[in-house]
Amino acid sequence: SSELTQDPAVSVALGQTVRITCQGDSLRSYYASWYQQKPGQAPVLVIYGKNNRPSGIPDRFSGSSSGNTASLTITGAQAEDEADYYCNSRDSSGNLVVFGGGTKLTVL
Amino acid sequence: QVQLQESGPGLVKPSQTLSLTCTVSGGSISSGGYYWSWIRQHPGKGLEWIGYIYYSGSTYYNPSLKSRVTISVDTSKNQFSLKLSSVTAADTAVYYCARDRIDEGYFDYWGQGTLVTVSS
Repeated sequence: SSELTQDPAVSVALGQTVRITCQGDSLRSYYASWYQQKPGQAPVLVIYGKNNRPSGIPDRFSGSSSGNTASLTITGAQAEDEADYYCNSRDSSGNLVVFGGGTKLTVL
Repeated sequence: QVQLQESGPGLVKPSQTLSLTCTVSGGSISSGGYYWSWIRQHPGKGLEWIGYIYYSGSTYYNPSLKSRVTISVDTSKNQFSLKLSSVTAADTAVYYCARDRIDEGYFDYWGQGTLVTVSS
């Protein structure tokens, strides 16, 4: 079982703002990273560290963290943002890797 | 631009050993600063970390798979490999290799993934 907990599904109206959350004890010590995965494709890193975006990721994607909860926010969601989103971090020992179960984002 | 490419059999018989190799191009495995990971995804399910290796050969494995997993590295070929023994149908999945930034724990480059089916 995953040590990071995500809501299985979230929906957002086109152009609106949506927050996807990730909860786990390890997040008190380690930042979460966020990945977008579209059907048939490998995951793509969208947010890492405190709130960093790799080159090519739109600035409508942002990250934040408080206590044991990390959040991915999409401000002004677009149709192409419809995908599965996964969080990950080191585990509490710092040696292993854990993933959240994933959140399916639907853009209405 | 770093690229990773998985290779290996797409079909493995039950009880046999699954073997995959990840070839890294555009960067050296020996450069340090990164772990080299294997991750899998069962059909229609989420991501599961299998384990990682540092270029020196140090490894960490998912405790749920540890008894069956071996990850090795060949720095001369800029490759790392996965062996998963005693496979069953439950090991049918898309297997990804990925680069893990040690200091911040994120996967910045991924292979395209390869589907491995366990079936007789």
